[in-house]
Amino acid sequence: AQSVTQPDIHITVSEGASLELRCNYSYGATPYLFWYVQSPGQGLQLLLKYFSGDTLVQGIKGFEAEFKRSQSSFNLRKPSVHWSDAAEYFCAPPSGAGSYQLTFGKGTKLSVIP
Amino acid sequence: NAGVTQTPKFQVLKTGQSMTLQCAQDMNHNSMYWYRQDPGMGLRLIYYSASEGTTDKGEVPNGYNVSRLNKREFSLRLESAAPSQTSVYFCASSEGEKGAADTQYFGPGTRLTVL
Repeated sequence: AQSVTQPDIHITVSEGASLELRCNYSYGATPYLFWYVQSPGQGLQLLLKYFSGDTLVQGIKGFEAEFKRSQSSFNLRKPSVHWSDAAEYFCAPPSGAGSYQLTFGKGTKLSVIP
Repeated sequence: NAGVTQTPKFQVLKTGQSMTLQCAQDMNHNSMYWYRQDPGMGLRLIYYSASEGTTDKGEVPNGYNVSRLNKREFSLRLESAAPSQTSVYFCASSEGEKGAADTQYFGPGTRLTVL
């Protein structure tokens, strides 16, 4: 079964600073990966997703992620964080080949200092 | 276009009581999901319905039942609530064309407390 690790439980950055959130997954052959964002008190919203092809994926709100098969990583980046980016971020690979299920990481909570 | 709606938003139950969480989507999606979210645990899948007429267990199905009433609606029932079921419950839907590769659209959640 797939497992996913988000090593950072909580990250605090200053507004305008760059951001990188880490995600590592166990299923090296995974064909697709997702990042979802959850604002306080809300449901989850898709930030971006990787399918086969270009390993650098652009998402909403200026976020991007790079798929590195050799490192089993799919880290999320943003060059300049805005206060409205304060939220919790979840990485999600599929639970297995042909599965309908995603395995969600435990999340990284982002706080932004004005 | 409301997307995915859930009722109720909040609920407090006593141990042993039963209740049904309702979910509806207006995007003509084939697949629907129920998750629970607990602090520090991420989201865990309870049940899903790949298409109308089918339901399957997810990672944590014990203590729950589901009904895919029609294409739009997918309900989650707690027959005898336990304090361990205190959680935030999210319903989601997806087109269902590509399984887990589809984007999932989430409802706003139901915060359930079992005393």
